[in-house]
Amino acid sequence: SQTIHQWPATLVQPVGSPLSLECTVEGTSNPNLYWYRQAAGRGLQLLFYSVGIGQISSEVPQNLSASRPQDRQFILSSKKLLLSDSGFYLCAGTGTVSEKLFFGSGTQLSVL
Amino acid sequence: AQSVTQLGSHVSVSEGALVLLRCNYSSSVPPYLFWYVQYPNQGLQLLLKYTSAATLVKGINGFEAEFKKSETSFHLTKPSAHMSDAAEYFCAVSSGGSYIPTFGRGTSLIVHP
Repeated sequence: SQTIHQWPATLVQPVGSPLSLECTVEGTSNPNLYWYRQAAGRGLQLLFYSVGIGQISSEVPQNLSASRPQDRQFILSSKKLLLSDSGFYLCAGTGTVSEKLFFGSGTQLSVL
Repeated sequence: AQSVTQLGSHVSVSEGALVLLRCNYSSSVPPYLFWYVQYPNQGLQLLLKYTSAATLVKGINGFEAEFKKSETSFHLTKPSAHMSDAAEYFCAVSSGGSYIPTFGRGTSLIVHP
């Protein structure tokens, strides 16, 4: 079965520090991968998606970037975190548009 | 283009009562429709999905949803709520023209004893 491993579960970072969140996929090849952010009490905001190695599309202008160095690896980064980057970050993947998204367990990021 | 509207950011029911969570969608091509559940500080889990087979879809934990093309709706129901059903529920749509699933804003289900 398809599984997404995402870490860490919780992260507290000072303003201006760098960020690197990684997710890896098991059980499927060539998945479409997504990074979502969920602010407290709000819905899912799509940040980036990737349909293949090195292919990244950004949905919103922001302080973050994403990379996909390998087929099953998707990384979310920032050079300097802002307070507004705080939130719950979810990595997700799917094989085709008719299949369900499978989600990682999320990272709760607090920028102080 | 595709979009999803979930009516009601919060729904409150008593234990044992009917659960009804509303979802309306728009899509220029035949859609794939999904309901996900999210428990606190966790990722989302699939409850059920519609992919153009039977219009009444049964999912896990006693939930079901009916696809109504004429009403562009995919409402989620459960005959009898349990305390363990308290969670955030998201409706989502995908279609052949887009790589990007579109999510509704979510509905928080509150179950009172």
